[in-house]
Amino acid sequence: GQSLEQPSEVTAVEGAIVQINCTYQTSGFYGLSWYQQHDGGAPTFLSYNALDGLEETGRFSSFLSRSDSYGYLLLQELQMKDSASYFCAVRDRRNTGTASKLTFGTGTRLQVTL
Amino acid sequence: DTEVTQTPKHLVMGMTNKKSLKCEQHMGHRAMYWYKQKAKKPPELMFVYSYEKLSINESVPSRFSPECPNSSLLNLHLHALQPEDSALYLCASSSLLAGLVGSGDEQFFGPGTRLTVL
Repeated sequence: GQSLEQPSEVTAVEGAIVQINCTYQTSGFYGLSWYQQHDGGAPTFLSYNALDGLEETGRFSSFLSRSDSYGYLLLQELQMKDSASYFCAVRDRRNTGTASKLTFGTGTRLQVTL
Repeated sequence: DTEVTQTPKHLVMGMTNKKSLKCEQHMGHRAMYWYKQKAKKPPELMFVYSYEKLSINESVPSRFSPECPNSSLLNLHLHALQPEDSALYLCASSSLLAGLVGSGDEQFFGPGTRLTVL
């Protein structure tokens, strides 16, 4: 089975840095993604780690440690518009002619305050 | 065009009705997905189509019937639903190269259909 755990809620002030953790136990693992979803909106892709280490995309960075079954999303210079739910997601295998599954974590609701 | 469109945006139906949800993308993606999302929960995978063929069915009840008429369209036919099926239904698409090292792993989601079953 697949299990991806995240903190349920995080609160931070505008301009701060926040880290959202994700620990996973999955029967297959091929990469860890992060998605953002605003209330009433669709999930949108933020980042992807297939290999250990840090990936940086603007204000957002994502980290993966395969040996620890752990990853995190780091959001810097927080803005009010970053208030949303954030989901980690694991792809269980490589796509090989048929698409593999993406399983989402429990989700973290981030509230950015003034 | 990196957009996935879904119609209708909202749907209210009775337990005896038959309705269909529609999804369209023109990004040339050959993988398309249906997810169900309840409030404050993550999206749950229902079905995956690869090259217009059903490749994954996550043990979804038969009252949900997917269809992929061509590489751009995905439908979800609904019949005899239950009130607990009320949820946001999300369609997504991705390249079948998604997930490879150096290829990113983006699934593009539509805005969803908010379904209420009375």
